[in-house]
Amino acid sequence: TQLLEQSPQFLSIQEGENLTVYCNSSSVFSSLQWYRQEPGEGPVLLVTVVTGGEVKKLKRLTFQFGDARKDSSLHITAAQPGDTGLYLCAGAGAGNNRKLIWGLGTSLAVNP
Amino acid sequence: NAGVMQNPRHLVRRRGQEARLRCSPMKGHSHVYWYRQLPEEGLKFMVYLQKENIIDESGMPKERFSAEFPKEGPSILRIQQVVRGDSAAYFCASSQGPGNTEAFFGQGTRLTVV
Repeated sequence: TQLLEQSPQFLSIQEGENLTVYCNSSSVFSSLQWYRQEPGEGPVLLVTVVTGGEVKKLKRLTFQFGDARKDSSLHITAAQPGDTGLYLCAGAGAGNNRKLIWGLGTSLAVNP
Repeated sequence: NAGVMQNPRHLVRRRGQEARLRCSPMKGHSHVYWYRQLPEEGLKFMVYLQKENIIDESGMPKERFSAEFPKEGPSILRIQQVVRGDSAAYFCASSQGPGNTEAFFGQGTRLTVV
């Protein structure tokens, strides 16, 4: 059974701080996606990483896919209250069944 | 430029009633996924459908739950004889097809069974 573990589960920081959240698995994924979910809303896709070692930047967010395509990290620089939310990673397996495997998420609170 | 549309946003049912949740995928998307989310459990995959076909229903309870994605019209997740444990947020996501796994989510339907 493929599993994705996200850490930390909860994170509360002050505005302006940097943070990194992790998404780890013992399985290899063909691609990995990061989503952010706000209360009462559906997850919103932030980025997809496909190649081992790939780094993608989205403003203050930096996403990295591990060389072996088993893990990923999300680094936020100078966090702002608007970054508050639940960050979810989801891995896609190979083959025609595109069922995503989901982590439980990191709940981030950025305090002003 | 509509995204994934789910309705209703909120649904209250008494125990034993039926719940029907609707999902219209994004334009051009022929793949639909249904997920259930509880506060302590994150997103749980239920079923993956293409037009007129169920591809993977391994996450869906075998009793009382069914899903369809007809040739015309929205995808429907149907829960018969609801129980309190069915109370959750149900999310639908759609994607373009086998070559693209990026999933776009609707706002969800919050089912409350009283």
